[in-house]
Amino acid sequence: GQQVMQIPQYQHVQEGEDFTTYCNSSTTLSNIQWYKQRPGGHPVFLIQLVKSGEVKKQKRLTFQFGEAKKNSSLHITATQTTDVGTYFCAGPGSGNMLTFGGGTRLMVKP
Amino acid sequence: KAGVTQTPRYLIKTRGQQVTLSCSPISGHRSVSWYQQTPGQGLQFLFEYFSETQRNKGNFPGRFSGRQFSNSRSEMNVSTLELGDSALYLCASSLGWNGEQFFGPGTRLTVL
Repeated sequence: GQQVMQIPQYQHVQEGEDFTTYCNSSTTLSNIQWYKQRPGGHPVFLIQLVKSGEVKKQKRLTFQFGEAKKNSSLHITATQTTDVGTYFCAGPGSGNMLTFGGGTRLMVKP
Repeated sequence: KAGVTQTPRYLIKTRGQQVTLSCSPISGHRSVSWYQQTPGQGLQFLFEYFSETQRNKGNFPGRFSGRQFSNSRSEMNVSTLELGDSALYLCASSLGWNGEQFFGPGTRLTVL
């Protein structure tokens, strides 16, 4: 079945440094979604990308969807302590079932 | 609009017992999905319901079942609980197929 992998699993950064998480699917995706889960909280939708090569920005966050629609990335510029949490990508697989990546846990040192 | 609500928020059971968790989606959302989240396995898809029909099912044993009512509220049941069933169970609703998922706060199940 479809697999969605994310790297890295964990990332420690100093506040102000940049951060990137990568998402790779074993199959071509019709779209990819990104979620953020704060410690002790539940996943919250950030964005959905649909088009090949699409790039979207939300303030300091930049999301990219690969040309082959099998990979995606989330880049955060100048991290802040409020960015702490786990970032998940998710894509529809067989039967349109949404498959989540394992997540990247971001820790920010003030 | 009220968000997705889940009850109970916390539950402690012993092995062999069964449990029923409840989820009320956002008003107007007809799709409800359930996920199991554990530290080691991440977010694992359990099943999805749309208009009272199960549309998708993840790779979980038959002890895990669910249903959806005509008002879109959903329940999931786990029978013959095992220690490994300890997890955060998240419910998410969406407007349609593969749309943005709105997650509830989850039910933290501990099996002793």
